[in-house]
Amino acid sequence: EAQVTQNPRYLITVTGKKLTVTCSQNMNHEYMSWYRQDPGLGLRQIYYSMNVEVTDKGDVPEGYKVSRKEKRNFPLILESPSPNQTSLYFCASSLGRPGANVLTFGAGSRLTVL
Amino acid sequence: AQTVTQSQPEMSVQEAETVTLSCTYDTSESDYYLFWYKQPPSRQMILVIRQEAYKQQNATENRFSVNFQKAAKSFSLKISDSQLGDAAMYFCAYRRGSGGNTGKLIFGQGTTLQVKP
Repeated sequence: EAQVTQNPRYLITVTGKKLTVTCSQNMNHEYMSWYRQDPGLGLRQIYYSMNVEVTDKGDVPEGYKVSRKEKRNFPLILESPSPNQTSLYFCASSLGRPGANVLTFGAGSRLTVL
Repeated sequence: AQTVTQSQPEMSVQEAETVTLSCTYDTSESDYYLFWYKQPPSRQMILVIRQEAYKQQNATENRFSVNFQKAAKSFSLKISDSQLGDAAMYFCAYRRGSGGNTGKLIFGQGTTLQVKP
């Protein structure tokens, strides 16, 4: 089944404790990205990657890091989480060429930082 | 910069009735795509319908249709014969058609739809 898999789905952590949210897709998509969803703000892009070793900032990159060493994986790293990073996170992927390519979303990861 | 605005935080509809969710957007680009996503309580993001800006014909998908008014930059979603399973949060989203970061979706704030039996 074609899908984007995120882990963990739920996580409660404390301020300053480094964590990584993994994202993996099995569709050979070039493009991958991370979004965070907050009430009243919709989803906002954190980082994106056009292909292996090519990453760039989205609209809200502060406090996050990413890497793209393999085409299928795009982990989101929070080096020193803070309470304002409590949110619902989505990984998404699509084919890289322009057009009406549909983004495939993961199931979401609910992160709480105490 | 492009923006998407959904001015209705909450809407309700009686089962089997029709409801329209509003969305406006702002862009100076001519090549773009518009989408409606559904997010049920499971939180999964589900594509409902999409519209290419170069197409004048409004997109339809079964009970879902859009009213795309390009000059007014309006993109409303009509749900006909509403069902209990339609209850969810609905997001309007914009995606540029060319240039850098064409994978990026710009989302509205969301509209929570309640369906009453």
